[in-house]
Amino acid sequence: SAVISQKPSRDICQRGTSLTIQCQVDSQVTMMFWYRQQPGQSLTLIATANQGSEATYESGFVIDKFPISRPNLTFSTLTVSNMSPEDSSIYLCSAGLAVAHEQFFGPGTRLTVL
Amino acid sequence: AQSVTQPDIHITVSEGASLELRCNYSYGATPYLFWYVQSPGQGLQLLLKYFSGDTLVQGIKGFEAEFKRSQSSFNLRKPSVHWSDAAEYFCAVARFSGGYNKLIFGAGTRLAVHP
Repeated sequence: SAVISQKPSRDICQRGTSLTIQCQVDSQVTMMFWYRQQPGQSLTLIATANQGSEATYESGFVIDKFPISRPNLTFSTLTVSNMSPEDSSIYLCSAGLAVAHEQFFGPGTRLTVL
Repeated sequence: AQSVTQPDIHITVSEGASLELRCNYSYGATPYLFWYVQSPGQGLQLLLKYFSGDTLVQGIKGFEAEFKRSQSSFNLRKPSVHWSDAAEYFCAVARFSGGYNKLIFGAGTRLAVHP
């Protein structure tokens, strides 16, 4: 298994600003993903963070709004840009090994946009 | 398209009672199936997974799940619920895309436990 940490754990931000969320894994992993969990909802995949190349975004999510970096096999960032109250959600990072097929999740970042 | 349905949004059981959470999936091939639990203010913890083989899988915290291909189901069970089991439970199926598996989650079932 992998232990995943995220920073910050929560934040309150003003409309129009941006927030960068960090995800750190305690071991080298093949896959890293970013999810959004809107209030009272399930998890929706935002994108796959690819090491050394551009992230792969799911339908409905774009790079300009959610730029992602993954400079190495244990670290990734997600930026929520030009925030609006609709971006208030929990953002979760997950990671795993392709051969294992399973994902382990970080504790999440609870974002509130005023 | 792949999808996961959890028919029960909320379930309330008494402590010590048995529990079954339902999950139905839609997937063309042999699915990889998962159950995760999310306690309030926490991330997701993997309870158990099914890839192949024995259709009854054992997980952590005394949970088990049974894969039934004929019913496209992967229901989660526990014989005796503890108050600490109160949480949200998510069923997920892995969708192979771009060289690896991506998770599709159900809407979740919120479990309340009465003393």
